[in-house]
Amino acid sequence: KAGVTQTPRYLIKTRGQQVTLSCSPISGHRSVSWYQQTPGQGLQFLFEYFSETQRNKGNFPGRFSGRQFSNSRSEMNVSTLELGDSALYLCASHGGSSSYNSPLHFGNGTRLTVT
Amino acid sequence: GNSVTQMEGPVTLSEEAFLTINCTYTATGYPSLFWYVQYPGEGLQLLLKATKADDKGSNKGFEATYRKETTSFHLEKGSVQVSDSAVYFCALSDRPNAGKSTFGDGTTLTVKP
Repeated sequence: KAGVTQTPRYLIKTRGQQVTLSCSPISGHRSVSWYQQTPGQGLQFLFEYFSETQRNKGNFPGRFSGRQFSNSRSEMNVSTLELGDSALYLCASHGGSSSYNSPLHFGNGTRLTVT
Repeated sequence: GNSVTQMEGPVTLSEEAFLTINCTYTATGYPSLFWYVQYPGEGLQLLLKATKADDKGSNKGFEATYRKETTSFHLEKGSVQVSDSAVYFCALSDRPNAGKSTFGDGTTLTVKP
């Protein structure tokens, strides 16, 4: 079974630009979550999508948005980039609708650098 | 809300030393507990888990026991190897928000030969 795939692996953008990150979950997984990882803040939850609907949302500004498609693939968009958005963005898929005792399966992340 | 507090790092050990990484949690419900490991340039991968009190998760020589009375889930390994060098994250997942896990800050382990 293929794992979680994130593209691209690396991105360099300029302040003020926007960026779109993509995530393909494990086949059969309907939940996709996004996390921001930085040295200072650790892993911060952005949002979760399940069956094309946003099910949970973290405490990030509206510049961060996402969506999920009918094949469970997800995209995350950040508009008006700021220097502080530089981070590793991790996508994770999850197997069940309510199986909270199942682990998250992470991709290798997209490293975003904002200059 | 939920929170996870991990032992601060970094931790440096010699090969074959005993490892303990402390983890305590606060949760509003009855969570499942996880340890994830992150190797350089990669995402997190599950190391072990426990879903109810007194459960012991184990994998690759690592162990952790779900202690409800002390709200703890400490990670241990009897004899570490150089290949265990990585960042370790303690995490919890609370129903029904399975996709919204709460993570500790991570502990960087370096094992020297």
